[in-house]
Amino acid sequence: QTVVTQEPSLTVSPGGTVTLTCASSTGAVTSGYYPNWFQQKPGQAPRALIYSTDNKHSWTPARFSGSLLGGKAALTLSGVQPEDEAEYFCLLYYGGTWVFGGGTKLTVL
Amino acid sequence: QVQLQQSGPGLVKPSQTLSLTCAISGDSVSSNSAAWNWIRQSPSRGLEWLGRTYHRSKWYNDYAVSVRSRITINPDTSKNQFSLQLDSVTPEDTAVYYCAREYYYDTSGLTAIDYWGQGTLVTVSS
Repeated sequence: QTVVTQEPSLTVSPGGTVTLTCASSTGAVTSGYYPNWFQQKPGQAPRALIYSTDNKHSWTPARFSGSLLGGKAALTLSGVQPEDEAEYFCLLYYGGTWVFGGGTKLTVL
Repeated sequence: QVQLQQSGPGLVKPSQTLSLTCAISGDSVSSNSAAWNWIRQSPSRGLEWLGRTYHRSKWYNDYAVSVRSRITINPDTSKNQFSLQLDSVTPEDTAVYYCAREYYYDTSGLTAIDYWGQGTLVTVSS
C-alpha cells in the first residue's frame, strides 16, 4: 500500500514564507509522479493550485509555487495572506493510479 | 470554462449500490486529452482517489485497489457525462464524493487534475 506523507500542520505569520512537502513511501518523488497540489477550505471542494510539479493554473496566485526538494514535492507560499489559511493536499501518480497525501492544515497567525 | 455538475442520492442503504452521475460542460467525455475521475473524502480516510475512465481510441478504466472489486465507472457519450457505481456499500463508504477532470497536455506530457464537481455527501445508513 503506497503512502503519501505530508506535514499534518504548519503555522506561518502573515507576510511570511512557508514550504509544505509531499513524500512517497516508494522513494524519491520525481517529475514522473506529476505532483499536483490543491487547496481546500471548510465546506468547499478542493481547488487546484499546481500541476506536474511546478506549473500554475491560470487562477493560481503568483505567491504559490511548486518544486522538487530533497526527494519530495514541495509547495511554497511566499508573502502569505490570511486567506491562505486552509488545508493543502498533494497528489502523486503511480502509473495508472493516483494517491493523495493526508493533507497539511496551514494556520496563518 | 469546464464545469462538472454532480447528481445522485445522498442516502444509500447498506449492501445496496451507490450511484452518482457527473455531467460535463465545456469539454467532452470522449476527449483524447482528458480522463474523468471519481474521488471521495471522509474524516477517517481523507481524500481517496477511486478511479477514472478515459478514451484513447477505445475506452479504458483504472481503479483503486481498495475498491476494485466493487466499482464501475462508465462514460455516457449521448449525455456527455460519466457515472460511478459502488456496490455492496457499508457505513465506511459514507463520504463526500467528487468528480474531477484530469487533463493531459499533449505537447508537453504534463498532467493536471484541474476541475472538480461540487461534491455530494453520500451517507450509508439503514
